[in-house]
Amino acid sequence: AQSVTQLGSHVSVSEGALVLLRCNYSSSVPPYLFWYVQYPNQGLQLLLKYTSAATLVKGINGFEAEFKKSETSFHLTKPSAHMSDAAEYFCAVRDQYGNKLVFGAGTILRVKS
Amino acid sequence: EPEVTQTPSHQVTQMGQEVILRCVPISNHLYFYWYRQILGQKVEFLVSFYNNEISEKSEIFDDQFSVERPDGSNFTLKIRSTKLEDSAMYFCASSDQAGGPVTQYFGPGTRLLVL
Repeated sequence: AQSVTQLGSHVSVSEGALVLLRCNYSSSVPPYLFWYVQYPNQGLQLLLKYTSAATLVKGINGFEAEFKKSETSFHLTKPSAHMSDAAEYFCAVRDQYGNKLVFGAGTILRVKS
Repeated sequence: EPEVTQTPSHQVTQMGQEVILRCVPISNHLYFYWYRQILGQKVEFLVSFYNNEISEKSEIFDDQFSVERPDGSNFTLKIRSTKLEDSAMYFCASSDQAGGPVTQYFGPGTRLLVL
């Protein structure tokens, strides 16, 4: 079964610093990967997704992620953190046999002023 | 921008009671989903629904759970006899297609507390 692992349940960065949230996947076939963000008291919002069209994917709010097959990774980055980026971030993979999404445990991003 | 809505935002119930969680998916979407997140745990899939039928369900989705699309706009999740371990945030999602890189759009969730 496909799965994703997010390293680091909590990440803290200073405002203006690089954001790096890690996601590794386990899949025997090319995966469809997603990053969602959850702001307090809100639902899950899609940040970006990997569709195999390009290995570097740009998303909303200045985030991007790079698909690296050799490392089975899809890490999320943002060059300069903003206070409004504080949220929980989820990496997910679509199950190869159906439509369900399989989520990682989530990473809570804290941005310090 | 169209969005998925869910009601209520919070629900408190007694163990053994029935609860119905309501969702209004995005209007032109055909595929509907329920996920849940127990506090401190991963978001996990419960069920998917298409063409008035369950298309996929997880092991969690046992006989105490049911889903329904009672009219053209609502999608509901019923828990017949709630247990303490059903306490969780329940997310509804919808998509216009299935498979591949299709995006599932999520609602804000219903936080269910079973006492």
